[in-house]
Amino acid sequence: AQTVTQSQPEMSVQEAETVTLSCTYDTSESDYYLFWYKQPPSRQMILVIRQEAYKQQNATENRFSVNFQKAAKSFSLKISDSQLGDAAMYFCAYRSPYYAGGTSYGKLTFGQGTILTVHP
Amino acid sequence: DGGITQSPKYLFRKEGQNVTLSCEQNLNHDAMYWYRQDPGQGLRLIYYSQIVNDFQKGDIAEGYSVSREKKESFPLTVTSAQKNPTAFYLCASSQGAGAGELFFGEGSRLTVL
Repeated sequence: AQTVTQSQPEMSVQEAETVTLSCTYDTSESDYYLFWYKQPPSRQMILVIRQEAYKQQNATENRFSVNFQKAAKSFSLKISDSQLGDAAMYFCAYRSPYYAGGTSYGKLTFGQGTILTVHP
Repeated sequence: DGGITQSPKYLFRKEGQNVTLSCEQNLNHDAMYWYRQDPGQGLRLIYYSQIVNDFQKGDIAEGYSVSREKKESFPLTVTSAQKNPTAFYLCASSQGAGAGELFFGEGSRLTVL
């Protein structure tokens, strides 16, 4: 079974600074997908960024970028120019691919989450 | 607007009672999921369904049941067999079991009195 580990229960950053959230995962699959979700106090889960394992290029979405190290099974999220609205719980997630007749069924497995605080 | 609607947002239940949480989506997605969220434990998968009339147990299915009679609906019943049902429940859907991300509802908070 796949596991996702976020080793930082809490992180803090000053407004306009850069912060990196860590995530590691364990899998025997070669093809999969990785995501970072944000959960603000409203508790609505919001997709921040996604990465396909077959792509070597790191994904980027505006101020958010990832450092995907497939061999090391590491998938960190970098937030540049942090804003007060970035304060939230961040979850790293792993999605198994679907194979006809298999049992993976595209399940999404989450890490324990990292609470990010942004100081003005 | 397309999206996922969960109801009720807040629900109180007495011990020994079954309760059903509603999840409806108008995104025309094939796959639907139920997750449970407890403090400090992230999200754990309860049940998921890839197509109508088919569903699979997730990691913590004991004490829960689901049905998938319609593509847009995936209700979750929390039975009296669930020992610790107080939690935040999230429903999600995705286009398929491929690369697409999951879209989430706003969640339902269940409290057992």
